[in-house]
This record gives sequence, C-alpha cells and structure tokens, in this order.
Amino acid sequence: EIVMTQSPATLSVSPGERATLSCRASQSVSSNLAWYQQKPGQAPRLLIYGASTRATGIPARFSGSGSGTEFTLTISSLQSEDFAVYYCQQYNNWPPLMYTFGQGTKLEIK
Amino acid sequence: QVQLQESGPGLVKPSQTLSLTCTVSGGSISSGSYYWSWIRQPAGKGLEWIGRIYTSGSTNYNPSLKSRVTISVDTSKNQFSLKLSSVTAADTAVYYCARSITIFGVVTYFDYWGQGTLVTVSS
Repeated sequence: EIVMTQSPATLSVSPGERATLSCRASQSVSSNLAWYQQKPGQAPRLLIYGASTRATGIPARFSGSGSGTEFTLTISSLQSEDFAVYYCQQYNNWPPLMYTFGQGTKLEIK
Repeated sequence: QVQLQESGPGLVKPSQTLSLTCTVSGGSISSGSYYWSWIRQPAGKGLEWIGRIYTSGSTNYNPSLKSRVTISVDTSKNQFSLKLSSVTAADTAVYYCARSITIFGVVTYFDYWGQGTLVTVSS
C-alpha cells in the first residue's frame, strides 16, 4: 500500500498571505496525484489533478507541483473561503490497486 | 451537471450489514469513461477508499475491507450500491459515493462526489 503523508497537520496563515502544503508518497506515484479541499459538513472538492492541473472552476491562486514522491499545493494569496482541510490522494493504480489519501492539512486563520 | 446522492439507513446494529445506494443523475452510469466508488470518513478523521465498480460490474476493493464489502451496479436505475457486512462501531462514518474518470485507460481522481450520508453503528 502506498502511504501518503501530509505536512504540517495544521497551518496557520493570515489572509492575503501564501500557504504551502506538502504531501509525500511512500513510493513513486509519478504525477498521479490529486488535491481536494473539504469544508465542514461538505464533501471534498477536487482542486488539482495530475499533480499540477487545476480542475474546472478552480481559481488561479491554487497551484500544484511535484512528481514522484514529493508534492506541494500552494495557495498564493489566501482568501477567507480557503480556510479548510486539504487532502492529497494518489491514484497510481499499481497493485495492490487502491487509492490512498493523506491524513489532511487543516489550514486555519492566523 | 452530474449529481450523486447517497441514500440508506442512518443507523445499523453491530454485526449487521450496512447497505447504501448512490443514485446518479445528469449522466449515464453506463458511460464507459467512468468508475464509481465508495469512500468513507469517520468523524474528525481522514478519507478511506472502500472500493469501486465499473459499468460492466467489475470491482476493486480496499484490501483491508475486501472480506466484508460488496459493490454492485444497477444500470437500469442509474445506481450503484454498497454492502458492508459484520459492522462494528469502527464502521461509523460519513459515507460518500464518487465518480472517477478514466484517462487513456487509467482510472484517476474523483471529480464528482455525493454530499455524504452519516451511518452510525450502534445497538
């Protein structure tokens, strides 16, 4: 099983500032990585797929980078609506075939 | 716009079988481009993929749950379903259904999610 590890667990940032979230895979997943945003009481929302491609309707302030085992989600200028929990997810499809998520990073207002 | 909606009992007794259905609207579940998954999230915790099904009925399950999980599809109703047997309190969670798209034959990320349904395992 590919284990996804996110850091930090909690990130405190002021509105307008830049946030950088990290995700590490226990083995290479190439660029088969997605990022999701989840707000309380809501389902996760797809932000980034293919490690760096923004999903439809996602603002340009969200960007993803990385490949292999190290990935980063950057939010360039935090808006109030961006404070949420963020998850990374690998879909590498190697045996055993299963999807795994990171444990999440909570982005909170400083 | 594709929409997914979970339905089923919100309370299940220990040792019984949890049964949920996901109804897909705004698109056909029979489209060859998509797989359909179940994902769960215990309160305050992260996301766990349970398993997926293709329109043909082909399934893949999380190895940690495989012995207790059955996912099926009913294309005539545009629905797919989850059965999880021998449940315990550890199975209490919000259960989501979700769609993943295939790109060049590779099953990828989850682009559409249901709103989720809370299932509590308790006597």
